[in-house]
Amino acid sequence: QKEVEQDPGPLSVPEGAIVSLNCTYSNSAFQYFMWYRQYSRKGPELLMYTYSSGNKEDGRFTAQVDKSSKYISLFIRDSQPSDSATYLCAMRVGGSARQLTFGSGTQLTVLP
Amino acid sequence: GAVVSQHPSWVICKSGTSVKIECRSLDFQATTMFWYRQFPKQSLMLMATSNEGSKATYEQGVEKDKFLINHASLTLSTLTVTSAHPEDSSFYICSPKAQDYGYTFGSGTRLTVV
Repeated sequence: QKEVEQDPGPLSVPEGAIVSLNCTYSNSAFQYFMWYRQYSRKGPELLMYTYSSGNKEDGRFTAQVDKSSKYISLFIRDSQPSDSATYLCAMRVGGSARQLTFGSGTQLTVLP
Repeated sequence: GAVVSQHPSWVICKSGTSVKIECRSLDFQATTMFWYRQFPKQSLMLMATSNEGSKATYEQGVEKDKFLINHASLTLSTLTVTSAHPEDSSFYICSPKAQDYGYTFGSGTRLTVV
């Protein structure tokens, strides 16, 4: 069993739709949770960074962490064609400069 | 802040030759450098972790003699793929980490070995 599971998709939605992306994990020691967006043949760029359980909102993006269920989500409101990319969840244990463990990524296409 | 420069972005080399990939943190000092490899439609897999001035720690299954990592300064790390073979063709991404910054990533290097 992988430490982090993420549905690879592909996921295709119409412009303006609400997108829900999810990851589950097995390591209860994970404390920091991130969502990255990766365009084709580019490095990942950070979208959201959360610590422990709870919600965090930034513009059209909302990240949710439920540590009791070992489940994290990213919601994208009013999705745009420019949101078309691969979305990677990532997480790590506490302490400084610890490695990130990534999900396999979900490929999202927003149709105009 | 937290600007990362990774070069080259794309390289083609002949089987048996070596290729060097550079990763620079332009406006911060990276005390730790992570190197990842990503195959098409797959996630990032950690290859090795290095701290400035120390030898890199390689993940299980990654050949340290094949993937040479140098982290001689706080702003520069290199990954050299030695005696490259077609199965080494992949997308390589560096991730410099500074004390006060989150996890940054280079733009990646697409290596094709023919």
